[in-house]
Amino acid sequence: EVQLVESGGGLVHPGGSLRLSCAASGFAFRSYWLTWVRQAPGKGLEWVASIKEDGSEKNYVDSVKGRFTISRDNVKNSLYLQMNSLRGEDTAVYYCVRVDEQWELQAYYLDSWGQGTLVTVSS
Amino acid sequence: DIQMTQSPSSLSASVGDTVTITCRASQSISPYLNWYQQRPGKAPKLLIYAASTLQSGVPSRFSGSGSGTDFTLTISSLQPEDFATYFCQQTYSTLAWTFGHGTKVEIK
Repeated sequence: EVQLVESGGGLVHPGGSLRLSCAASGFAFRSYWLTWVRQAPGKGLEWVASIKEDGSEKNYVDSVKGRFTISRDNVKNSLYLQMNSLRGEDTAVYYCVRVDEQWELQAYYLDSWGQGTLVTVSS
Repeated sequence: DIQMTQSPSSLSASVGDTVTITCRASQSISPYLNWYQQRPGKAPKLLIYAASTLQSGVPSRFSGSGSGTDFTLTISSLQPEDFATYFCQQTYSTLAWTFGHGTKVEIK
């Protein structure tokens, strides 16, 4: 069974930093793209960042470029999100998500989600 | 970035009804459109990918269709567990995936 367990969320002051972790199990971790998706309280879903299987390619939503860094450890089966210069608008539940692909179409989709970890940015 | 517009933002329906949710992209994205269901307090769950492929384990009353810029999620014979919020997502742009704002399906 695929399991993704996030940790590291909490309350942080504006301008502060936080590092989220995601421990994965139940699948061949090094064979999948992974992504972070966030959801502000009472709002919709927002894709934050994605990382290729070997970590060689990383993509970010414009609002976090230069502040957030996605990384992975394929030995520890773990995904990370280093968040710096945090702002109030970064307050959200952050989900660790596995990306699967329909090979013929090269169509990506988010097939397994963690339970999420809440990040609150407030003074 | 590609903008995704879902409609309606909410709807009321009864058990047994057929419900249709629409997602429109700001440019052609076919077939890179996925649908997710989110129950209150839970993580989203994948329902449909590549516009019309049903994810393993998802009931057949869920179906997806569409092409180009216009896509539809249909729920036939609505069940009590289907009352939730539904999101579309485009993965056409590999550098910037975007979601629709969601459609809340409520009990009438």
